[in-house]
Amino acid sequence: EAGVTQFPSHSVIEKGQTVTLRCDPISGHDNLYWYRRVMGKEIKFLLHFVKESKQDESGMPNNRFLAERTGGTYSTLKVQPAELEDSGVYFCASSQEFGFQETQYFGPGTRLLVL
Amino acid sequence: AQSVAQPEDQVNVAEGNPLTVKCTYSVSGNPYLFWYVQYPNRGLQFLLKYITGDNLVKGSYGFEAEFNKSQTSFHLKKPSALVSDSALYFCAVRERDMGRRALTFGSGTRLQVQP
Repeated sequence: EAGVTQFPSHSVIEKGQTVTLRCDPISGHDNLYWYRRVMGKEIKFLLHFVKESKQDESGMPNNRFLAERTGGTYSTLKVQPAELEDSGVYFCASSQEFGFQETQYFGPGTRLLVL
Repeated sequence: AQSVAQPEDQVNVAEGNPLTVKCTYSVSGNPYLFWYVQYPNRGLQFLLKYITGDNLVKGSYGFEAEFNKSQTSFHLKKPSALVSDSALYFCAVRERDMGRRALTFGSGTRLQVQP
């Protein structure tokens, strides 16, 4: 069974440009999460989808970030316009279970560098 | 608000010696606790989790962790370290409140096992 995949693995863009990150969860997983790790600090939650619905977007830093999950399969995270402080590693995770059995499985991450 | 502290940025241990990576947490009520590992150029891999019951949890690759409620700690341990255990380790906590399933992570501890 394939794990969580993310594309691209790396992205280097200039300040003010737009970048779109993609996450393909493990097949059949209804829960999809986005996290990011900035400047080698802790990994912070961004948002949580259940199927195509946003369950919790309390971690989204501002309105330059837009996440979608059309059809409840893959998800995209768009940053527009990108700022220097958006540089970091963006992780996606998915899970199938609910309740105390839930374990989130992470992808390899997308390393974003904004110059 | 919940938080996780990993007080050591780096832990160095000789191969064959026991290792401990420390984690303390702060959360309302009872927590779910997790350890993840990130090998170089790879994503986060799930190691183990504490949900309830036995305070000693066994996970992948010979790792185990002990939940200590009075000290609010969840230290990761292994009796005999391998060079291949060298990686970045993250502790995470989740509230038992079902409404929010985001993980809160610590800042990570880099484990270096010397041959």
